[in-house]
Amino acid sequence: DGGITQSPKYLFRKEGQNVTLSCEQNLNHDAMYWYRQDPGQGLRLIYYSQIVNDFQKGDIAEGYSVSREKKESFPLTVTSAQKNPTAFYLCASRVMPGQEYGYTFGSGTRLTVV
Amino acid sequence: SQQGEEDPQALSIQEGENATMNCSYKTSINNLQWYRQNSGRGLVHLILIRSNEREKHSGRLRVTLDTSKKSSSLLITASRAADTASYFCASNTGGFKTIFGAGTRLFVKA
Repeated sequence: DGGITQSPKYLFRKEGQNVTLSCEQNLNHDAMYWYRQDPGQGLRLIYYSQIVNDFQKGDIAEGYSVSREKKESFPLTVTSAQKNPTAFYLCASRVMPGQEYGYTFGSGTRLTVV
Repeated sequence: SQQGEEDPQALSIQEGENATMNCSYKTSINNLQWYRQNSGRGLVHLILIRSNEREKHSGRLRVTLDTSKKSSSLLITASRAADTASYFCASNTGGFKTIFGAGTRLFVKA
């Protein structure tokens, strides 16, 4: 079955620690996205990538970094510079050109600072 | 206020009733999408309506779009307990980003 796999499902980060969230898709989609979801709020865009080796900052990129070395993979690193990282992180992909298609989402990673 | 705001924030109905959720947006769009999210899960794409369309159906779902009022509505007919979830509208203005609203939490009582 085609889809997006996010791992881990739950992640705990200590103060000052960098952590990496995994996102893998086998849908052959060109575009991939990372969103952050806080309780009672909509999704906010962190980073997106349209093609391999290229990515763009979203609305809340500070304290995050990404890479796109393979079409299938778009990992997100939450760095120690992100002061309030506790949230639910969602990875998504879609066909390019993507404007007339919806997103396919992964099942999310819940990150908690301990 | 942000592009893509849902109303109401929360809705509780009995099984078998219809559920209507509304979405407003501020700038011109290419299309508007509706998604469902079960608690602690990712979003699932339900339906996409283009700016030149006024109504679209998919099973028990009916979506309308009024570009003059910059609003859309999602109707779920004959609701079931399994429809309990949060529903989000997402507006695409033609770029590579899509703006999501804060969602409507629907609770269907059996």
